Amino acid sequence: AQKITQTQPGMFVQEKEAVTLDCTYDTSDPSYGLFWYKQPSSGEMIFLIYQGSYDQQNATEGRYSLNFQKARKSANLVISASQLGDSAMYFCAMRGGNQGAQKLVFGQGTRLTINP
Amino acid sequence: SAVISQKPSRDICQRGTSLTIQCQVDSQVTMMFWYRQQPGQSLTLIATANQGSEATYESGFVIDKFPISRPNLTFSTLTVSNMSPEDSSIYLCSVKKNSGANVLTFGAGSRLTVL
Repeated sequence: AQKITQTQPGMFVQEKEAVTLDCTYDTSDPSYGLFWYKQPSSGEMIFLIYQGSYDQQNATEGRYSLNFQKARKSANLVISASQLGDSAMYFCAMRGGNQGAQKLVFGQGTRLTINP
Repeated sequence: SAVISQKPSRDICQRGTSLTIQCQVDSQVTMMFWYRQQPGQSLTLIATANQGSEATYESGFVIDKFPISRPNLTFSTLTVSNMSPEDSSIYLCSVKKNSGANVLTFGAGSRLTVL
């Protein structure tokens, strides 16, 4: 069974600082994908970044980067130069390697608050 | 990524009634997923809706409570039947495009409140 753990229920960061949101995972699949989504108060789920288990380099998307440490089974999200609009819930998720297993398993989320 | 339209965006429902949520995608997709997010909680998969076959339900979810239709490759509905206050949640439709990126795209969600 797959499991995602986010140990930070909430984080408070000053604007313009970098922030790291933790995510650890557990799976027996050799092939898997890791995702980060942002959920603002409006409720929509916004895709941020994806990391495949066989990717050699850490994924980056603009201000978002994923610190992928496969041996530690961690996939932390790093947001550089945080902005007020980054305040939201952030979910780490995993997709299994089975051909038919396109479904995502989500962590409990971290509520990020950016202070001016 | 695919564009997903969900209706209704929100609704307030009476106990014991049923409500059908619609999910329309701007392109043909093989698999559509329905998730539930209870207040303050994470997302939990209810079922996977495949065109031409019955939906596959996750543990803890049954067809009688959450019937799903998938009449074609761009549309699906989820019905929440005989609602109780415990069904108050955001219900989200999600799809993966048939080819290309691994990303699952989500609709904006349907926020249901059951009184």
